[in-house]
Amino acid sequence: GQQVMQIPQYQHVQEGEDFTTYCNSSTTLSNIQWYKQRPGGHPVFLIQLVKSGEVKKQKRLTFQFGEAKKNSSLHITATQTTDVGTYFCADPYGGSQGNLIFGKGTKLSVKP
Amino acid sequence: NAGVMQNPRHLVRRRGQEARLRCSPMKGHSHVYWYRQLPEEGLKFMVYLQKENIIDESGMPKERFSAEFPKEGPSILRIQQVVRGDSAAYFCASSLGRTYNSPLHFGNGTRLTVT
Repeated sequence: GQQVMQIPQYQHVQEGEDFTTYCNSSTTLSNIQWYKQRPGGHPVFLIQLVKSGEVKKQKRLTFQFGEAKKNSSLHITATQTTDVGTYFCADPYGGSQGNLIFGKGTKLSVKP
Repeated sequence: NAGVMQNPRHLVRRRGQEARLRCSPMKGHSHVYWYRQLPEEGLKFMVYLQKENIIDESGMPKERFSAEFPKEGPSILRIQQVVRGDSAAYFCASSLGRTYNSPLHFGNGTRLTVT
């Protein structure tokens, strides 16, 4: 199955700075999901994007799905220490039977 | 509504022993997935089950690993004759339907340490 690529692998920011992680696919995605995993914790579903060019917001988080549905991004405005963790994008059609295949994630650390 | 329950949270096994990891999905969920995560790495898909059936086991090693999801009771991931390389966090997740319609709900994971 296809795999989604995420960049950067790591991001260190000062509290209050913005943060963006990017997810890219070589093929067109039907939809894409985003998850967050806190250090020592388990992945938690954040959002699913379905439509071309879709933009969804959750407080300081903005999720975008590219027009060609081959890329997606997550932008956090004015990061806080509570934003620390690893952010994964995932392709619900990545596996041969439609099981979820995750990107390698972007690990965000926030310096207070 | 209780979430996905995994036990044990931590499991220590000596090389050559068997490890049994249990997962009870969220109430009403019939789709169960197992993922493995090595330290500082991503989530690697292992197996997808739907009540009594293995739908996709393409991510599971052919030897020593098996999974089941019986009609009654939790899903079990079984690792026979464990080796040091099996040390990892194993996450179970469940969903209401196929993942393109239903997000995954993860359990807290089982941290397996092989000594």
